[in-house]
Amino acid sequence: GAVVSQHPSWVICKSGTSVKIECRSLDFQATTMFWYRQFPKQSLMLMATSNEGSKATYEQGVEKDKFLINHASLTLSTLTVTSAHPEDSSFYICSARDHLAGVEQYFGPGTRLTVT
Amino acid sequence: QQQVKQSPQSLIVQKGGISIINCAYENTAFDYFPWYQQFPGKGPALLIAIRPDVSEKKEGRFTISFNKSAKQFSLHIMDSQPGDSATYFCAASRGAGNMLTFGGGTRLMVKP
Repeated sequence: GAVVSQHPSWVICKSGTSVKIECRSLDFQATTMFWYRQFPKQSLMLMATSNEGSKATYEQGVEKDKFLINHASLTLSTLTVTSAHPEDSSFYICSARDHLAGVEQYFGPGTRLTVT
Repeated sequence: QQQVKQSPQSLIVQKGGISIINCAYENTAFDYFPWYQQFPGKGPALLIAIRPDVSEKKEGRFTISFNKSAKQFSLHIMDSQPGDSATYFCAASRGAGNMLTFGGGTRLMVKP
């Protein structure tokens, strides 16, 4: 149980285009999902906290107009990187909290974004 | 400001040895301390977690030691195996399931 999936697992896009990453909780309902970014050989940095049915809360320094987060259902949150640039190339990881159990975050497998 | 400091950055251990990774935190409001294992190209997976009301927790070969007064906690991997070679992250949060603050990570290599 407690499986989180991400789609796509990797994506290459051209500079200036937008790309959407999906995060799904497969066997539980998640009122809260978190989005992290991880650069090579670095730690995970929280980008935003996404609550179902409400606006996401962004961490300091994260542009909310560039990284659009939508959490429209209890099993799906999306991150859209708008007008992507090479410096946005990174590993994006989501996690989801089981709102019934409420004790742990479950991480997705990550999405590798490369902007050319 | 890095609220969770992790050391060492990298660690090489012989098979069968003990791997020890340390973390220190600053925010006394933290009350949940998990450790994650991450393989290249994969998301982190929870190994073991502890709350500050206990000083030690053991699960199989993995043990967390917690020192509340020193604001430090550590992961011990007993009988380390080559399959344990991965990056390990400590983390802390105010309540389980809430926003996690991660340490910088430790790249562990277990030599056969």
